[in-house]
Amino acid sequence: AQSVTQLDSQVPVFEEAPVELRCNYSSSVSVYLFWYVQYPNQGLQLLLKYLSGSTLVKGINGFEAEFNKSQTSFHLRKPSVHISDTAEYFCAVIPLNTGFQKLVFGTGTRLLVSP
Amino acid sequence: DVKVTQSSRYLVKRTGEKVFLECVQDMDHENMFWYRQDPGLGLRLIYFSYDVKMKEKGDIPEGYSVSREKKERFSLILESASTNQTSMYLCASSPADRVQETQYFGPGTRLLVL
Repeated sequence: AQSVTQLDSQVPVFEEAPVELRCNYSSSVSVYLFWYVQYPNQGLQLLLKYLSGSTLVKGINGFEAEFNKSQTSFHLRKPSVHISDTAEYFCAVIPLNTGFQKLVFGTGTRLLVSP
Repeated sequence: DVKVTQSSRYLVKRTGEKVFLECVQDMDHENMFWYRQDPGLGLRLIYFSYDVKMKEKGDIPEGYSVSREKKERFSLILESASTNQTSMYLCASSPADRVQETQYFGPGTRLLVL
């Protein structure tokens, strides 16, 4: 079975500061990795995903994430955040050996950007 | 542009009522999903469907059923609503081509069971 851990339930940060949201996963098989974002009163939308190849993945809105297989991590970063980045961020995995798109989500990290 | 719509944004029901949550997608996607989202628990999969009239249980199917009579519509049914089913319900869809396809989410239905 797979599990995803997002240790930080909430991350407060000032506008224009850098931010890192942490994600660690546990799986006995290789996985695909995803970050989704949920803006207030909206559904989730995909920020970025790692399937294979370069371990540094760039997504929308200036976000990027780095896959580290040895540490089983997929941390999300942005060098300079905006007020509009205030949202909840979910890390998720899908194991490669499954026939279905069964995402396993972490518990989410709420990013609070203040002026 | 991709669109997943859910019939209600907010819903208030009484314990024991039968509740229908509707989801419609306009992207001709084969796969559709129902999740519930609770604070501190993230999203948990209730049911999914990979074709018309096909359904598979997710991680927390107890107390729920689903219906998919048409490709674009996926309904979640609470046969007898209980207070512990108060939650945010999110529908999603995706193409069937590959396991790693992006899922597209609706805006959610916030259900309160009194």
